Amino acid sequence: DVKVTQSSRYLVKRTGEKVFLECVQDMDHENMFWYRQDPGLGLRLIYFSYDVKMKEKGDIPEGYSVSREKKERFSLILESASTNQTSMYLCASSFPEGSETQYFGPGTRLLVL
Amino acid sequence: AQSVTQPDIHITVSEGASLELRCNYSYGATPYLFWYVQSPGQGLQLLLKYFSGDTLVQGIKGFEAEFKRSQSSFNLRKPSVHWSDAAEYFCAVAEDNAGNMLTFGGGTRLMVKP
Repeated sequence: DVKVTQSSRYLVKRTGEKVFLECVQDMDHENMFWYRQDPGLGLRLIYFSYDVKMKEKGDIPEGYSVSREKKERFSLILESASTNQTSMYLCASSFPEGSETQYFGPGTRLLVL
Repeated sequence: AQSVTQPDIHITVSEGASLELRCNYSYGATPYLFWYVQSPGQGLQLLLKYFSGDTLVQGIKGFEAEFKRSQSSFNLRKPSVHWSDAAEYFCAVAEDNAGNMLTFGGGTRLMVKP
């Protein structure tokens, strides 16, 4: 079974803090994705990566950055957390073809005070 | 740009009743279409997907979906709902040759009455 793990289920941070969200997958997938999920808005893509050290902006990259130093690990970084970044963050991975399934981690619920 | 609409934000059905969740997409070519389910506190799990062939697709947990190109729809159905089906359901579309990027609908939250 594919396994996508995320470093934390719940996080509470203060405004202005630097926040790291980690994601690890064990299926040798080329693609990895970071989404945020907000009620009524579904999932919105923040960034994705199709290879080590490669990244592409998604629909809402502002205020975020990412890092992919190893194939299995994809990190989301909030350089200076703000209250409007309070959300559920979901990581996913897949093979690159359009018909391939994305596999999701359990999510990290982030609260920025 | 492609888009996905799930017109129903909330749906409540009685246990044992049939279910249909609506999904409409906007995309020029033949899309890859997915339905995911998210149980409370969990990540998303794939229910089924369509990318070619038979337009009626069978998935896990007794779900099926039908691709109707003329209506740009990919509605999810289940003949008899169980209490454990209470969850949020997301429809998504991917473009061909676009690195497997998904566009999601806003989701439909299903509640099941005993």
